[in-house]
Amino acid sequence: SAVISQKPSRDICQRGTSLTIQCQVDSQVTMMFWYRQQPGQSLTLIATANQGSEATYESGFVIDKFPISRPNLTFSTLTVSNMSPEDSSIYLCSVGLADEQYFGPGTRLTVT
Amino acid sequence: QQQVKQSPQSLIVQKGGISIINCAYENTAFDYFPWYQQFPGKGPALLIAIRPDVSEKKEGRFTISFNKSAKQFSLHIMDSQPGDSATYFCAAAANFNKFYFGSGTKLNVKP
Repeated sequence: SAVISQKPSRDICQRGTSLTIQCQVDSQVTMMFWYRQQPGQSLTLIATANQGSEATYESGFVIDKFPISRPNLTFSTLTVSNMSPEDSSIYLCSVGLADEQYFGPGTRLTVT
Repeated sequence: QQQVKQSPQSLIVQKGGISIINCAYENTAFDYFPWYQQFPGKGPALLIAIRPDVSEKKEGRFTISFNKSAKQFSLHIMDSQPGDSATYFCAAAANFNKFYFGSGTKLNVKP
């Protein structure tokens, strides 16, 4: 399995600011994913971030709002830009390893 | 269009009972069907997964039943315990690309 850590675990941010979430994995992985989970809801894929290529965004998510970096096989960042209260959610990093998908503990974001 | 439909939305089971959660899918290209368990404030944890070449997979008290012709799969939790109280998500993927998640089932096991 993979051990995934995320920073920060939670944050409260003001409207209009940006927050960068870090995801660190204890193994080298090709496929990394970023999800959003609103309270009491299911998981929605934001984008797929494979090392060496541009991130692929799902419908409804754009690079200007959610820029992603993937500098190496164990690390990725997701930035939530120009935040509004509607961005309040849990953001989850996920990796594909040995034909399984594992999730990090999540970053709980509250925008005021 | 919801790719994976999950039911029930919530479930109450007595300790020692069997919890059953069902999922249905449409895309016949799906070839990987995992179940995740999520406790409040935590990320989803992979519980058990199945591929369509088998009809059942068992790991401890957790069993996945898979019906390829009906395009349905279910999670059975035997001898349910209060510690199993959590939200369960089914998911499906094709070629390990994009994962589609069910809407989740909140399980409450009464002591």
